[in-house]
Amino acid sequence: GAGVSQTPSNKVTEKGKYVELRCDPISGHTALYWYRQSLGQGPEFLIYFQGTGAADDSGLPNDRFFAVRPEGSVSTLKIQRTERGDSAVYLCASSPHGGGNTEAFFGQGTRLTVV
Amino acid sequence: GEDVEQSLFLSVREGDSSVINCTYTDSSSTYLYWYKQEPGAGLQLLTYIFSNMDMKQDQRLTVLLNKKDKHLSLRIADTQTGDSAIYFCAERGSSNTGKLIFGQGTTLQVKP
Repeated sequence: GAGVSQTPSNKVTEKGKYVELRCDPISGHTALYWYRQSLGQGPEFLIYFQGTGAADDSGLPNDRFFAVRPEGSVSTLKIQRTERGDSAVYLCASSPHGGGNTEAFFGQGTRLTVV
Repeated sequence: GEDVEQSLFLSVREGDSSVINCTYTDSSSTYLYWYKQEPGAGLQLLTYIFSNMDMKQDQRLTVLLNKKDKHLSLRIADTQTGDSAIYFCAERGSSNTGKLIFGQGTTLQVKP
């Protein structure tokens, strides 16, 4: 596609439920990032994939959060036992590769609301 | 640790220059970026500067970097109402992951 696509654009879920957020990166981009943006804050790094592998998952807040990218393209961010504090906009970005200065292109984000 | 700080709000009149400031802590930062976020939209890269540069100009945008003081600024000349948005400063450390550390954003309000 022309840009990074994230689905759904909005997700409302009940506390304790499981959610999956999807990211379709720009075709051919090997690097993929997930960020979380809480209201009034800047994006906060969660995880970075180079190809299929998670090269840096130091930003995942706890073991309820997990992400996969099985074929090196689409990625899914999975959140178990959601809590109200997980409510935020989850942003995905991709870039041609992870090294050097390569521009990261961001999607529009998925707004997650946990009620 | 890595930290990026910005002032939260700036209001200017249309036609004036805007200067948005940012400080960062990671002295090993390789690249520093300015992103723009409009309501309901994703982050848009405006410009970036490599850490061995002092200044970069791109049309109405001028980026100044004081590496000694770890201070970065973005100047927007002839600010227009369409420039109203949230501006984020971000640093990229020395790691090869491309991970960005963002500031909390500066809301720019442009009054007609």
